[in-house]
Amino acid sequence: EAEVAQSPRYKITEKSQAVAFWCDPISGHATLYWYRQILGQGPELLVQFQDESVVDDSQLPKDRFSAERLKGVDSTLKIQPAELGDSAMYLCASSFYRGTGELFFGEGSRLTVL
Amino acid sequence: GDSVTQMEGPVTLSEEAFLTINCTYTATGYPSLFWYVQYPGEGLQLLLKATKADDKGSNKGFEATYRKETTSFHLEKGSVQVSDSAVYFCALNNAGNMLTFGGGTRLMVKP
Repeated sequence: EAEVAQSPRYKITEKSQAVAFWCDPISGHATLYWYRQILGQGPELLVQFQDESVVDDSQLPKDRFSAERLKGVDSTLKIQPAELGDSAMYLCASSFYRGTGELFFGEGSRLTVL
Repeated sequence: GDSVTQMEGPVTLSEEAFLTINCTYTATGYPSLFWYVQYPGEGLQLLLKATKADDKGSNKGFEATYRKETTSFHLEKGSVQVSDSAVYFCALNNAGNMLTFGGGTRLMVKP
């Protein structure tokens, strides 16, 4: 069964360092999402791509976060510099059609900032 | 803006007990409603959905009915199993925009 791949699964870094997460969506899925899930809370959307274009990044802290999906396939989410409050699970999801609400999630990348 | 409120957990039940997890929402228009489940160590996966009022979504013995009059989408299962232990998230999708999640409810089923 096709899956959304994410790496790394776990990342520990010190504050002020740079960190990057990678996501490979299910083949053929044009829409890709990055969510942040703080422990004990529900996921919150950071950025949404349709192919290589950003559709919604209104909740992305652009002073330190960036996201790209250059060829409309895999995607990278970067944080620079990392802050203590960035400790969370970063989830990538994809969907074949935008706007259906039927998302396929990866296992996530857990970030701990010390 | 849109929001989803779930009952706080953890919910602890014995095997074969009846499960209800409450979910209410606030949204303009006519959102679609979802339940996602996150098993330990795994990513979220869609459990069931309903796209209009009075629709009933069902899967794996779980059911939820879209109640517009009470703005609710409560999750139910008649007889839970230990393997149902997970975190359950209620969510809505409004006018094709982003999926808005509730805070999640952890279910623990004891044998």
